[in-house]
Order: sequence, then structure tokens, then C-alpha cells
Amino acid sequence: QSVLTQPPSASGTPGQRVTISCSGSSSNIENNDVYWYQQFPGTAPKLLIYRENQRPSGVPDRFSGSKSGTSASLAISGLRSEDEADYYCATWDDSLRGWVFGGGTKLTVL
Amino acid sequence: EVQLLDSGGGLVQPGGSLRLSCAASGFTFTLYAMSWVRQAPGKGLEWVSVISGSGGSAYYAGSVKGRFTISRDNSKNTLYLQMSSLRAEDTAIYYCAKTRGVLPRTLPDSWGQGTLVTVSS
Repeated sequence: QSVLTQPPSASGTPGQRVTISCSGSSSNIENNDVYWYQQFPGTAPKLLIYRENQRPSGVPDRFSGSKSGTSASLAISGLRSEDEADYYCATWDDSLRGWVFGGGTKLTVL
Repeated sequence: EVQLLDSGGGLVQPGGSLRLSCAASGFTFTLYAMSWVRQAPGKGLEWVSVISGSGGSAYYAGSVKGRFTISRDNSKNTLYLQMSSLRAEDTAIYYCAKTRGVLPRTLPDSWGQGTLVTVSS
């Protein structure tokens, strides 16, 4: 059971906008920076979003993040087939004194 | 360009020990906290441990505390994970990860390719 809760799956058709949620608590999401990672099968994760809504260079602006209270969201607009991957949210937890990850959301592009 | 080369994985019997290494290049090693994150077959990401840039502070997940020790040699730009009393549930790909800052609470922006640890008799 992950400390951060994500839906196990999400889907959309090409061109659509999809949102993935990440629910936590006051000891993690509410008071710490939220990160989002993308992972393709058999490869290492890749940073998509840091500090809730900042994109590293090279990440398309189709990817955006937001946070409100104890929840965060990743939005992908103009969905493409190559976006089909697993997505994870993560942050620091003040009570556990460590990082926590969501269980991951498998995105399918129909 | 940041490069992280994980190594040291393999097959080990339950109760055994193993040391993982991560050779880093392309950035000023001492300025960044470093971490290990693992992923069991078919499962999600699980944080294992993180160490500050100086090596002066380290944190561990409850599942490995007392059995694993993270360390770093800043003169060799290398991160280590000493694993002992290994259990079947420690079987996973172990990723070395560079964080975005010197403090342990900042999360990764770069990852190694991973090294597979299999605990089995």
C-alpha cells in the first residue's frame, strides 16, 4: 500500500487531455515539492515535472503539473501514442523522513 | 552530461550480502544528494535510501533500515549500497539516482540504468 495514492490506470485517445491524480497528506504533498516521473517498460524513470509544475529542459509543454492542498495532478494534453507509459508521483514525507512514491498509473493511448 | 553507471547486482542466497556501486560523472558530485530506488519485478518504484552531498546524513526506508547502509566516496565520485541479511522480497532492479540538490529531501532528476539483484536459494 503506497503512501501516495494514484489510479492504477488511465486512458485516452490521441489528441485528448488526460489527468492523473496523486493523493497524499499534510506530511507529504501539502508541505513538500511534488515530482512526476515517466517510465517505459525496461527503462529507467525519467523526470517529467518537479516543484509541482516545473518542466526540465526537453520535456514538452504538453505535460503540466499542479498541486492543491494534499493532492497533486499531472495533465497531458494533445495525447500521443508515445505517451503510453507508467507515471509516478513522488515527494518527501516529513513524518517518515524519507521519499514516498505513488503506486504508479499505467497510461494507455487507445 | 550526467552519467550514472550502476553495478554490483547478481544472484545471492537469502541471508547473504551484496554491495552495489554507482559511478557518477558529468556533474560536481559533492553538490548533490544521491539515492537508491528499487523496483521489484512488475511492481512500482520504492525508495530505499538517500545520502546528503557531504555524506553527513542518510535516511532509509523502514523495509531496509538496519540491513542496508548507504555511503559515498566523494574522492571517487562513487555511491555505494551495502546490503546484508538479504530477503526474497529485496529482489528488484536497483537504480542509483542523482537528486536536484545537496539536501536529502530533494528528489531525483537523473537515474542510472539499474542493476538487478535476485535473492534466491
